This record gives sequence, structure tokens and C-alpha cells, in this order.
Amino acid sequence: DIQMTQSPSTLSASVGDRVTITCRASQSLTSGLAWYQQKPGKAPNLLIYWASTLQSGVPSRFSGSGSATEFSLTISGLQPDDFATYYCQQYKSYPVTFGQGTKVEIK
Amino acid sequence: EVQLLESGGGLEQPGGSLRLSCAVSGFTFSSYAMSWVRQAPGKGLEWVSTISGNGDTTYYADSVRGRFTVSRDNSKNTLYLQMNSLGAEDTATYYCAKDIRVTASEIYFEYWGQGTLVTVSS
Repeated sequence: DIQMTQSPSTLSASVGDRVTITCRASQSLTSGLAWYQQKPGKAPNLLIYWASTLQSGVPSRFSGSGSATEFSLTISGLQPDDFATYYCQQYKSYPVTFGQGTKVEIK
Repeated sequence: EVQLLESGGGLEQPGGSLRLSCAVSGFTFSSYAMSWVRQAPGKGLEWVSTISGNGDTTYYADSVRGRFTVSRDNSKNTLYLQMNSLGAEDTATYYCAKDIRVTASEIYFEYWGQGTLVTVSS
């Protein structure tokens, strides 16, 4: 199985900050990686797929980069609506696996 | 508008069974693979199962293989998850999710339902 490790587990930031979340895979994914945002009590929401393609309707302050085993999600100019938990997910092979999540908190 | 609506969750005793349903609308159901993803209380996301658009191909997480069965009725636009031999470790919110292609390969989750809570406890 491909293990996904996110860092940090928790991130404290202020509105307007630029924040970066990292996801590391135990094997090369090429670029089969997605990012999701989840707010308390809600279903996850797809932000980015194929490592860097922005899902329709997602604000352009979100961006993704990386390949092989190292990936990152960057939020440029954190907004109040962005305080949430973020998950990476690999889809190169089964079983599909998620990172453990990164909670972005208000500083 | 794409909509996915799960039902069938509830409280079940250890060793019992439940069948979850996910009724969908707003897209051609048979043209997309579908998946179940669960989330234990306060925990992260765990993929459970995926079924191809025509139902011929299925995949399962090791944690549920042999106990859970995914199926679909394309005439009813409904996805199912039959869960048998339930244990406390199956307690979670179960989400159905629409995949991005008809085959069950290289799937990520474009749309999600609101989830249905399954609690396994005596």
C-alpha cells in the first residue's frame, strides 16, 4: 500500500498569510494526487487533482505542485473561509489512501 | 445540479448488518464509477470501496473485504453498500462519492454526499 504522510498536522496562521501543506508518498505517484478541504460536519470538497489542476469553482489562491513523492498545497492569502482541515489523496493504485489531514487554525 | 443522498445509517449491534444507499441525480449515473469513503468520529478519511460504472469491477479496502459488498442499480440511479459482521471499528460517517470516469481506475472524488452515520455498539 502507498502511505501518505502530511505535514504539519496542525498549522496556525492569520488571515492574509501564505501557507503551505506538504504531502509525501511512500512510492512515486507520478502526479496522481488530489487535495480536499473539509469543514466540521461537512463532506470533503475537491480542490486540486493531478497534483496541480484546480477544480472548477475553487478560488485561484489555492495551488498545488509537486510530483513523484513530494507534493504541496499552497494557499496564497488565507481567507476566513479557509480555516479547515485539508487532506491529500493518492489515486495511482489501490488501495486509495489519504493523508492523515492538516488542520489550519486561526492564530 | 449534482446531488448524492445517503441513507440507511443508524445504530447496529456488533455482528449485525446494515445496507446503505446513495441516491444520485444531476448526472448520467452509469457513466461514472462510484465510491464509498468513511470517517470515524474525529478521525481522517478512509477509502472503503469503488465500483465501476457498469458494476463489473469492484475494489475493497482490506479492512472491509469479505464483509462489505458494493453494488449499484443503474436503472434506479442508486449505489449500495451491504455491510455484514459489523464491528465497533466500522463506526463512522459513510460518504458516497462520484468518481471522475466510468472505469474504476485512477479515481478521485469530484462530488460527495452529506454522509450517513453508522454506529456499531451494544
